[in-house]
Amino acid sequence: DTEVTQTPKHLVMGMTNKKSLKCEQHMGHRAMYWYKQKAKKPPELMFVYSYEKLSINESVPSRFSPECPNSSLLNLHLHALQPEDSALYLCASSQDFYNEQFFGPGTRLTVL
Amino acid sequence: AQSVTQLDSHVSVSEGTPVLLRCNYSSSYSPSLFWYVQHPNKGLQLLLKYTSAATLVKGINGFEAEFKKSETSFHLTKPSAHMSDAAEYFCVANTGGFKTIFGAGTRLFVKA
Repeated sequence: DTEVTQTPKHLVMGMTNKKSLKCEQHMGHRAMYWYKQKAKKPPELMFVYSYEKLSINESVPSRFSPECPNSSLLNLHLHALQPEDSALYLCASSQDFYNEQFFGPGTRLTVL
Repeated sequence: AQSVTQLDSHVSVSEGTPVLLRCNYSSSYSPSLFWYVQHPNKGLQLLLKYTSAATLVKGINGFEAEFKKSETSFHLTKPSAHMSDAAEYFCVANTGGFKTIFGAGTRLFVKA
């Protein structure tokens, strides 16, 4: 299984809502990533987990809260988002930091 | 500082003609280099990777890339473009740290 899955595919939320994005991989990868991608731009790294511990937080606002319950799952909890947070959120995983990352299909988030 | 520069923001070719997408990198160390393709509203798919083995790398869908250390380049080529190749292409470097460095992307248009 060489697939990274993400749910939901689409999410519309108000600024007062709380929601979560989910990501799953069964490739035995020990590094997992969250990216934010705006239209016509490359992905921007938000968080990196290595062996289920947060390794990198690229100064992301606290309204985004990552969680790694186990080596196969990665969540992104969303609370009190702003309209400018609307974007495609991509999850990725890799065997280690030297190897290629496998990306999920993304969640298209719209904040009203 | 490490960086990846994709020299063209847009490339337009006719179907059946060669494709050349240019990428230069700057790094103090020998990086791992990757090309990814992204179709609209989709995740990123790995086309090929260079990790210090053969300098000419073959990827999926007929794509190739050549690593030239003297020119610090990693250009992507394909002998004959197909309509389905129309997409966004990202050149990516990994120097072994936590952060993956993305180029700005090149949009490939394929004319019938």
